[in-house]
Amino acid sequence: DAMVIQNPRYQVTQFGKPVTLSCSQTLNHNVMYWYQQKSSQAPKLLFHYYDKDFNNEADTPDNFQSRRPNTSFCFLDIRSPGLGDAAMYLCATSRTTQGRTEAFFGQGTRLTVV
Amino acid sequence: AQSVTQLGSHVSVSEGALVLLRCNYSSSVPPYLFWYVQYPNQGLQLLLKYTSAATLVKGINGFEAEFKKSETSFHLTKPSAHMRDAAEYFCAVSDPPGGGNKLTFGTGTQLKVEL
Repeated sequence: DAMVIQNPRYQVTQFGKPVTLSCSQTLNHNVMYWYQQKSSQAPKLLFHYYDKDFNNEADTPDNFQSRRPNTSFCFLDIRSPGLGDAAMYLCATSRTTQGRTEAFFGQGTRLTVV
Repeated sequence: AQSVTQLGSHVSVSEGALVLLRCNYSSSVPPYLFWYVQYPNQGLQLLLKYTSAATLVKGINGFEAEFKKSETSFHLTKPSAHMRDAAEYFCAVSDPPGGGNKLTFGTGTQLKVEL
């Protein structure tokens, strides 16, 4: 029944070693988001896709990239993870970009950088 | 820019007692407001949403929230707390139409339920 699926749930990577986090959805939603949530903090939007249209937040570091090869899948690439990138990464989807539609979240991937 | 403020980063109640989690918003246009719950090491689950229809919104797990424009508030309540309600709760506001439906979250309130 899971509608937004993130893999893996836990990821350990080495300092500076590229890492990719995955998200898939069975909802056929147009919009997909990546949020970063550091310990005891609110989720912070990194970027979102409306269909294939990529929208980066102004303060998202260049170290973070994303790909959306099709409607169902979206990837978060961290080119050179630093210790400060350790966080929970949350993928979410919504049907439209209209504010009244809620976002559906995956279970998250907890990233540890060693 | 739209924002929400959650008063009280930690709230502790006894099982069976009233739960009240506070959220105030700032918005130049009629807001769309949401409450999400997050259990440890889990994603966020929608509890309820306000989208300019009824001001009293009922959600899942017995929670409800009332939109009060005069107070710019959207507080979350539950008449009787259960142990399973222990979690972190986030209030959020979304962009106006055309803004991408991006959510801006409050800093969260950790709810502890004691026997």
